[in-house]
Amino acid sequence: ETGVTQTPRHLVMGMTNKKSLKCEQHLGHNAMYWYKQSAKKPLELMFVYNFKEQTENNSVPSRFSPECPNSSHLFLHLHTLQPEDSALYLCASSQAGTSGVYEQYFGPGTRLTVT
Amino acid sequence: AQTVTQSQPEMSVQEAETVTLSCTYDTSESDYYLFWYKQPPSRQMILVIRQEAYKQQNATENRFSVNFQKAAKSFSLKISDSQLGDAAMYFCAYLRGGSQGNLIFGKGTKLSVKP
Repeated sequence: ETGVTQTPRHLVMGMTNKKSLKCEQHLGHNAMYWYKQSAKKPLELMFVYNFKEQTENNSVPSRFSPECPNSSHLFLHLHTLQPEDSALYLCASSQAGTSGVYEQYFGPGTRLTVT
Repeated sequence: AQTVTQSQPEMSVQEAETVTLSCTYDTSESDYYLFWYKQPPSRQMILVIRQEAYKQQNATENRFSVNFQKAAKSFSLKISDSQLGDAAMYFCAYLRGGSQGNLIFGKGTKLSVKP
């Protein structure tokens, strides 16, 4: 295990539902990330939080809403999703310093299916 | 923009043999990091090996080593004495130095190990 946990591991939701994905890291890191992993495509970075502040938002639709209440927890709130949002959502964490960030440690992911 | 290319969608190796996975990248930066990540089926993505661009010496971690050719922008992964547990998706990734964590991934290479 990498020290990053995600819940739930599997989620099926309708297009009108609201749900949240949770990520927790036990590594003492100060940066956390959300990625989307779709079949046949490279991992796509969605959001970056450094020191609990969002520093990157890679043109993600507003139906995805991140929340980082502290350096150990990260949430991804979902609402009014589309079938093409079905994917594996990965959380990662790393240590960020004045010279940048270092390698990222990934959670097991949440397999999301939108019906 | 930086890109990472893995030209081998699938590879196969006999147990105890050696296999090399290819990765090329494109960047105009001089300060960056390169990584190989392993994602076993239905399991967490884990870091295999890391290379700093300013280091000429190739990184090595037990049976895993890289051939880092900075001028050619090539970063291949060699797995020696392959084991059944090495079967996984392998992702090459690039991180710009001083960045806020925007890891750029290749599409991955699926490695099968034959007993």
